[in-house]
Amino acid sequence: GAGVSQSPRYKVAKRGQDVALRCDPISGHVSLFWYQQALGQGPEFLTYFQNEAQLDKSGLPSDRFFAERPEGSVSTLKIQRTQQEDSAVYLCASSLIQGANTEAFFGQGTRLTVV
Amino acid sequence: DQQVKQNSPSLSVQEGRISILNCDYTNSMFDYFLWYKKYPAEGPTFLISISSIKDKNEDGRFTVFLNKSAKHLSLHIVPSQPGDSAVYFCAVYSNYKLTFGKGTLLTVNP
Repeated sequence: GAGVSQSPRYKVAKRGQDVALRCDPISGHVSLFWYQQALGQGPEFLTYFQNEAQLDKSGLPSDRFFAERPEGSVSTLKIQRTQQEDSAVYLCASSLIQGANTEAFFGQGTRLTVV
Repeated sequence: DQQVKQNSPSLSVQEGRISILNCDYTNSMFDYFLWYKKYPAEGPTFLISISSIKDKNEDGRFTVFLNKSAKHLSLHIVPSQPGDSAVYFCAVYSNYKLTFGKGTLLTVNP
């Protein structure tokens, strides 16, 4: 596709359930980012990949959050034992070059609701 | 501690008038600033940026002004159009990642 694709668009999870969110970046993009956007807030950085290497995971809120990009393209963000405070929109972004600047393209996001 | 602050949650302007969105930051070492626009149910899209070596950058109807001494930037939209109605996020680029403000909801009334 032409842009960053995320799936599912919407996910409702029962508290305690594990979820997996998928990101298909733009083909050939080296950098991939995950952000979390809570209601009424700006996106907050979670983690950054350069190809398959996870260079920064300092924004992951707890050890229940795990991200991977094993082949340097598709990425999955996994949340174990979901809690209500995990409810947010999870945004993925990719860029052709290292880092995120004007060339960072965002997907539409996955809205996670934990009930 | 918020590094990027947008103190106005919302702004309403008439079509054809100027919209001014404001943003303050805390770290004087920041040197690259961006504005993103976000429609409902879509991801943010890049709008305009400015480097700290400049104090103004213009792109069509959009102009960003940077006041380094005040650690303040603003986005001017002239003339405003109904299609500009969206949430606008100010962001700084540092250590390969973006740090966003909370956003300002702009409504342009026909």
